Amino acid sequence: AQKITQTQPGMFVQEKEAVTLDCTYDTSDPSYGLFWYKQPSSGEMIFLIYQGSYDQQNATEGRYSLNFQKARKSANLVISASQLGDSAMYFCAMREGWGGATNKLIFGTGTLLAVQP
Amino acid sequence: DTEVTQTPKHLVMGMTNKKSLKCEQHMGHRAMYWYKQKAKKPPELMFVYSYEKLSINESVPSRFSPECPNSSLLNLHLHALQPEDSALYLCASSPPAGMIDTQYFGPGTRLTVL
Repeated sequence: AQKITQTQPGMFVQEKEAVTLDCTYDTSDPSYGLFWYKQPSSGEMIFLIYQGSYDQQNATEGRYSLNFQKARKSANLVISASQLGDSAMYFCAMREGWGGATNKLIFGTGTLLAVQP
Repeated sequence: DTEVTQTPKHLVMGMTNKKSLKCEQHMGHRAMYWYKQKAKKPPELMFVYSYEKLSINESVPSRFSPECPNSSLLNLHLHALQPEDSALYLCASSPPAGMIDTQYFGPGTRLTVL
């Protein structure tokens, strides 16, 4: 079974509008971490935002926020006021357990976002 | 500073060549990772080093040989590769235990095997 599911292979958004990228996860471990990464066409994976399973508040980092719905096992990324530079592949990833030396990230298949002027 | 550097940016090699990829970080991270990424796919974990010791090898063929000479440096030695090994190779590092274990990635090396 897929542990991380991103159901949107591609998304379009108009510049300055908000967009939500979906991510659902599956784990029986009560401790886990959820990460979002952005990968432009240049290839570098850029860390955007992190949510821990015990965090009470939704994570926010500038224009990025994570809509964490634990009961539904979803961790959607919201990008506000989209910019042309936001066009990229976005990956949702999960780390099961507390992390540490055997930290393994499980990645979703990604969503390719295109921001239109 | 969350910088991980990788050299070279691009590499073209023949199937009989021996080459190495280099990764460096100066953030005091004690875990370092190699990933392989094919076009339009998520990264696939290859190796994890923790405190300079190999802790995970995801059943990677022996033509890929990792090395961690010190806590800041990670190499990937390549020998007798196949054309299907052409991919983007990403290095990452993460902070020690007690901190959020976010993996920070380098810009990658685009490898082409002829």
